[in-house]
Amino acid sequence: TQLLKQSPQFLSIQEGENLTVYCNSSSVFSSLQWYRQEPGEGPVLLVTVVTGGEVKKLKRLTFQFGDARKDSSLHITAAQPGDTGLYLCAGELIQGAQKLVFGQGTRLTINP
Amino acid sequence: DAGITQSPRHKVTETGTPVTLRCHQTENHRYMYWYRQDPGHGLRLIHYSYGVKDTDKGEVSDGYSVSRSKTEDFLLTLESATSSQTSVYFCATGRGVDEQFFGPGTRLTVL
Repeated sequence: TQLLKQSPQFLSIQEGENLTVYCNSSSVFSSLQWYRQEPGEGPVLLVTVVTGGEVKKLKRLTFQFGDARKDSSLHITAAQPGDTGLYLCAGELIQGAQKLVFGQGTRLTINP
Repeated sequence: DAGITQSPRHKVTETGTPVTLRCHQTENHRYMYWYRQDPGHGLRLIHYSYGVKDTDKGEVSDGYSVSRSKTEDFLLTLESATSSQTSVYFCATGRGVDEQFFGPGTRLTVL
């Protein structure tokens, strides 16, 4: 059973378009993270959100944590080929547990 | 980037043989984790450690054991490898779960 479900699983768009990736659960998380992974490498942390309703921006990337802390979204504005990669959301179910549950990932391809 | 290395980076073995993967860190991080990554499943936690000789199970721990005899090393052992353990294995370290740093991964194939 996948506690965190990401959608879509695959997304291929043209350079310059906008996109949103969703991470949903029926469980409440104390914090949620987004990672990006490139082929042959380990995931790299992009952002951590901890407060319901929190919005964080990282250049053209906007991350939002749902008010109820059960879901999150990643929005990319004017996507570029360098944004291509596997995007993973991960959440800490129990505060202080110091372990994460990951979504299955969204493979994003930005075509020039 | 945190200094995390994994060895070996690639391994092919046969069913029934024991396999040990090593994760080494130079950051003195308290927490260390072992994950496996399979298509359609994202990353799944196998075992983790919250200090020397302090370890706990993750969501897919069956068939795996771990040991941490010093802060910098975290070993993952497959006592008797099976084909279902063919995967890419990632080690991660951190001062806490809010910021995990991942190693480059080990690709394991069990024939």
